[in-house]
Amino acid sequence: QVQLVESGGGVVQPGRSLRLSCAASGFSFRNYAMHWVRQAPGKGLEWVAVVSYDGTNTYHADSVRGRFTISRDNSKNTLYVQMNSLRPEDTAVYYCARDKRYGGSTYYFDYWGQGSLVTVSS
Amino acid sequence: DIQMTQSPSTLSASVGDRVTITCRASQSISSWLAWYQQKSGKAPKLLIYDASTLESGVPSRFSGSGSGTEFTLTISSLQPDDFATYYCQQYHTYSTFGPGTKVDIK
Repeated sequence: QVQLVESGGGVVQPGRSLRLSCAASGFSFRNYAMHWVRQAPGKGLEWVAVVSYDGTNTYHADSVRGRFTISRDNSKNTLYVQMNSLRPEDTAVYYCARDKRYGGSTYYFDYWGQGSLVTVSS
Repeated sequence: DIQMTQSPSTLSASVGDRVTITCRASQSISSWLAWYQQKSGKAPKLLIYDASTLESGVPSRFSGSGSGTEFTLTISSLQPDDFATYYCQQYHTYSTFGPGTKVDIK
């Protein structure tokens, strides 16, 4: 069955960096676009970034562009997000999510990980 | 940017009730809309995409309708497992979620 398992979250000081990983299994990872979506404590969902199935195309939300970088390693079935210059408002649970479409991207998501909490605080 | 609104923000209902949640987009998104259910502490679950297509495995009591700027999610007969928060999401232009509608027990 499809599994997405995030790791790498924790407490980090403002201005510092953190990298999250998402290990995928149970499906052909290399054939699906992948996304990061976050949710601040007690708040709604915010789409963060997308990477195409082959890693050649990425797009980031305005709120993180220039600070976050999404990437993937299809040989390791793993999705990443490198988060630099972190701010308190980046505090959230970060979910990785699989795009619904095989071989393309629709920007809606049929499988989600359990989430990884990132807390930005001094 | 496309903005999404939902109403109501909270809805109190009883088991067996018919429940309707409305989602509005700030500009036309055709039928590029999805609905998710999220329970406390869990990841969201896809219910409906393309405004009215039921995701595999989702009970038929859930249905979606609408196009353009106004959409609805209907639960025909609310079940105990349905008490949760529901989000709409546009994917006409990248992705934006609505603020959510919490369905709680009356």
